[in-house]
Amino acid sequence: ETGVTQTPRHLVMGMTNKKSLKCEQHLGHNAMYWYKQSAKKPLELMFVYSLEERVENNSVPSRFSPECPNSSHLFLHLHTLQPEDSALYLCASSSRGYQETQYFGPGTRLLVL
Amino acid sequence: GDSVTQMEGPVTLSEEAFLTINCTYTATGYPSLFWYVQYPGEGLQLLLKATKADDKGSNKGFEATYRKETTSFHLEKGSVQVSDSAVYFCALILLSGGYQKVTFGTGTKLQVIP
Repeated sequence: ETGVTQTPRHLVMGMTNKKSLKCEQHLGHNAMYWYKQSAKKPLELMFVYSLEERVENNSVPSRFSPECPNSSHLFLHLHTLQPEDSALYLCASSSRGYQETQYFGPGTRLLVL
Repeated sequence: GDSVTQMEGPVTLSEEAFLTINCTYTATGYPSLFWYVQYPGEGLQLLLKATKADDKGSNKGFEATYRKETTSFHLEKGSVQVSDSAVYFCALILLSGGYQKVTFGTGTKLQVIP
């Protein structure tokens, strides 16, 4: 297994459900990111973890809850979502320098009914 | 604040045509500049990057030059193929508090027809 993996690839959930998205990186990076990609909008940075500590939270609603138990794993816990939360959720990882490339996973396509 | 502006798509070209996708930026510091590509159903993949003024990034026949004087990073390819059909994102990265702060453009969809 190489690169950045995400599971599940597709998820359909009701507004009262609780689910979690998982991201795993095998690149030895020490920073991980969650992005939201909606149609016709720029990628929105949701959360940044650097050395397993959350360093950025871009005013994301509390129904999204991230968790980073170690430098290789990142979770996004979802509860009581709204239909407008339907989107592609992308995970990325990088080393910490500004010249370093962010490597992206394939994303989880989420549909909230 | 920092921002990236890309040309609106979709861009439709015939195979072997010349491609230019414009990208301009505003930034408060000295960013690194990136082009990412997203194929249908996939995440973003790095296409090329440049980390300082006048650097040229290149990969798979694509090129882009970091122009500080015009704050631009236009993507070019001399002869596109059908397999280049994808969405292309321009991005800038600055360091903020010890971690990367990334700003993406809205993406430009490229359609190459045989």
